[in-house]
Amino acid sequence: AQTVTQSQPEMSVQEAETVTLSCTYDTSENNYYLFWYKQPPSRQMILVIRQEAYKQQNATENRFSVNFQKAAKSFSLKISDSQLGDTAMYFCAFGSATSGSRLTFGEGTQLTVNP
Amino acid sequence: GAGVSQSPSNKVTEKGKDVELRCDPISGHTALYWYRQRLGQGLEFLIYFQGNSAPDKSGLPSDRFSAERTGESVSTLTIQRTQQEDSAVYLCASSHRTSGSRFSYEQYFGPGTRLTVT
Repeated sequence: AQTVTQSQPEMSVQEAETVTLSCTYDTSENNYYLFWYKQPPSRQMILVIRQEAYKQQNATENRFSVNFQKAAKSFSLKISDSQLGDTAMYFCAFGSATSGSRLTFGEGTQLTVNP
Repeated sequence: GAGVSQSPSNKVTEKGKDVELRCDPISGHTALYWYRQRLGQGLEFLIYFQGNSAPDKSGLPSDRFSAERTGESVSTLTIQRTQQEDSAVYLCASSHRTSGSRFSYEQYFGPGTRLTVT
């Protein structure tokens, strides 16, 4: 079974600075997908970024980018130019066809952006 | 277009009562998922529907939990004889999935139903 670990329960950053959230996972599969979801206090889960394991290039979405290290099974999220609206719980998630399309989530990292 | 919707937004029930939680997926999304999120924790997978069949029910925690789906539309999660440990936010997600073994791409989530069992 796959596992996803987020070792930072809480993090804080000053507005306009850069922060990196860590995620590691364990799997014996070669083809899979990784995601970062954001959950603000409204409870709405919002997809931030996704990475296909077969792609070597790290995914980027505006201020959000990932550092995908397949051999190390590491998938960190970098948020540049942090904004107050980035304050939320961030979840790392793993999915693959052999796991029946379910997503396995980490425990989450609460990010607070301070003015 | 409209996103995933869930009702009710909040539900308070007495221990031992049955509850029904509803999910309306995004139109055209063939795959539907239910997750449970306990306070301060990540999401636990409960059940997955492809169309109206459930190929993966492995996450349902007990036989008090059941779910059904009408065609490629509404799904209902039913919890019978609720217990206090059932208190959580129940999240529904949907995704577009092609036929065969192609992996469902990203999942789109509803706002969840917060269930409190007193």
